[in-house]
Parts: sequence; C-alpha cells; structure tokens
Amino acid sequence: NAGVTQTPKFRILKIGQSMTLQCAQDMNHNYMYWYRQDPGMGLKLIYYSVGAGITDKGEVPNGYNVSRSTTEYFPLRLELAAPSQTSVYFCASSYSPSSYNEQFFGPGTRLTVL
Amino acid sequence: GEDVEQSLFLSVREGDSSVINCTYTDSSSTYLYWYKQEPGAGLQLLTYIFSNMDMKQDQRLTVLLNKKDKHLSLRIADTQTGDSAIYFCAESIGSSNTGKLIFGQGTTLQVKP
Repeated sequence: NAGVTQTPKFRILKIGQSMTLQCAQDMNHNYMYWYRQDPGMGLKLIYYSVGAGITDKGEVPNGYNVSRSTTEYFPLRLELAAPSQTSVYFCASSYSPSSYNEQFFGPGTRLTVL
Repeated sequence: GEDVEQSLFLSVREGDSSVINCTYTDSSSTYLYWYKQEPGAGLQLLTYIFSNMDMKQDQRLTVLLNKKDKHLSLRIADTQTGDSAIYFCAESIGSSNTGKLIFGQGTTLQVKP
C-alpha cells in the first residue's frame, strides 16, 4: 500500500492565484482530514470528511474548499491565494473514529504565497 | 474549547532520558496520542494511551497519564540522535464521532552527540 499520498510536494503561488492540493489514500479509510502546520503552532484542522459525499469545516476553513466524491480522494482547493495561506499542508486518513483512532499522514505540501 | 499545550523545545545529550510534557483540556478524551514528525515528513503515530491507564511502556518509551491534572508525558530512555524530531501530543475529542484530534504545538527534541 502507498498509504496517503499528496501532490505537489512544493508550490509557489502568486497572490490571487488558485490551486488544488491533491490527496489520495489506498487504505479504504472512510475518514479524511486536511491540516495546515505553521511554525510553533502545531496542526490546525481545515476540513474533514467522514465519508464520500460528506464534508465539514474544521477550525480554520476560511479561504479553502474541499470535495469528496470518492472514498480515495480528498482534494483541497485554495481560491484567491493570500500570503496568510503560506504553510505546510497535511492530509490524513483514518479507518474509524470510534475510540482508538490512528490517523495516517501524507508527506505534506509546502506552499508559499508571494 | 479543547486545547493541548506543550513546551516548544528540549535539548538532551545522547544516552540521557528525554521527558516531553503535555497538558490537555478535554476530560472525556478516550485516547491520548504521541506522534513523531521527522524533518520534511508527515506525522507518524509513536504511541498512545487509553484514558483508564496511568502508564504504558513500549520498549524505550514510557507514557504517563495523570487524569486529575490532565497531564501527559512521554519519556524516551537512552535517547539517540535518531530520536531528534518534533513530538506532538494529541487528544481525541471525547464528544465527537468524527475522529477529530486536537494537536499540541509540538516539542522539538534536539539530541546532541
């Protein structure tokens, strides 16, 4: 299994541009999550999904959108990129939310908005 | 709301023990987790503890849980240079069935040879 994969690894955007961060998992996990990691700030949850067709906002959803048309894919869309969105983005997945919930993380996408 | 706090930096010498501390707020958390992030990589689960346990040992790792004080610690015995990484404490949100975790800020462990 490849686990959780993310593309691209790095990206530089200009202010106002848009892009989609790709995330895929091959573990048949129902639950998927998008986080951003800022230095010294830990991980903040942007959006999550509990299954195909179901998404919900996390702690910091403004400026982002997601979709979940299949179990495997959970892309994150940035519209009108702003410097405040410079961060490292991690996608994660888990099998079940009940009691024990190990989240499996992708390698991350490092995004710079100039 | 829920919050998890950690100190940001710890430096130890190779062979010493490292203790990383964490405080959390959600008393209904069922599980508490320690994740490790190596440079340029995503997070990986290191160990976890169920909320009805006080201690869990796994080879060089010892997790201590004080539910009264909502304090969690991770002890790494005989710390090696390969243990240099960022360590995140995380709690499950007890009232949620979405699997959401709240992460601390991460503690950077520097191991000097």
